[in-house]
Amino acid sequence: EDQVTQSPEALRLQEGESSSLNCSYTVSGLRGLFWYRQDPGKGPEFLFTLYSAGEEKEKERLKATLTKKESFLHITAPKPEDSATYLCAVSGGYQKVTFGTGTKLQVIP
Amino acid sequence: EADIYQTPRYLVIGTGKKITLECSQTMGHDKMYWYQQDPGMELHLIHYSYGVNSTEKGDLSSESTVSRIRTEHFPLTLESARPSHTSQYLCASRSGGGLYNSPLHFGNGTRLTVT
Repeated sequence: EDQVTQSPEALRLQEGESSSLNCSYTVSGLRGLFWYRQDPGKGPEFLFTLYSAGEEKEKERLKATLTKKESFLHITAPKPEDSATYLCAVSGGYQKVTFGTGTKLQVIP
Repeated sequence: EADIYQTPRYLVIGTGKKITLECSQTMGHDKMYWYQQDPGMELHLIHYSYGVNSTEKGDLSSESTVSRIRTEHFPLTLESARPSHTSQYLCASRSGGGLYNSPLHFGNGTRLTVT
């Protein structure tokens, strides 16, 4: 059974204080690891897809990396508008998508 | 901009009522999904469809039903709502085919409260 574990559950950063969110996963035949951002009361917003170990993707202050067992979402010099819950999900050979419980990020001015 | 639309955004109804949550997408995606999410909790798959006239139950047991008569439309129906159905319902879609799986695109959800 596919599993996704995200840590920490919550993270509080000062504006400009860089950090990383972790996503550990087990999946039978990885066909995609996805990062989403979710704001309160809204649906998840797609950020990145990673398909193979060693792959990296960047968007503004966010950078996602992938190894065979985990993925990291690095946040460089975050701003208050980066505050949200960040979700990690994996998709395997059966095309199911399994989500983690997310990391709730708060960036304080 | 959202290419997947859910209505209503908020719904408060009494126990025993029949309701239909609407979901439409304009991207021509074959695959569509319904997830249930409680505050601070993970998303649970309740139904999915890989194309017209194809529907399957997901991992989370649900008393709801779905239909897929048109590619762009994937409504979810509760025949008799109960307080235990109070939750946020998220619709998603993605393109199909290929060795690798494409990401899900979500609507903004319907927040359902059953009194």
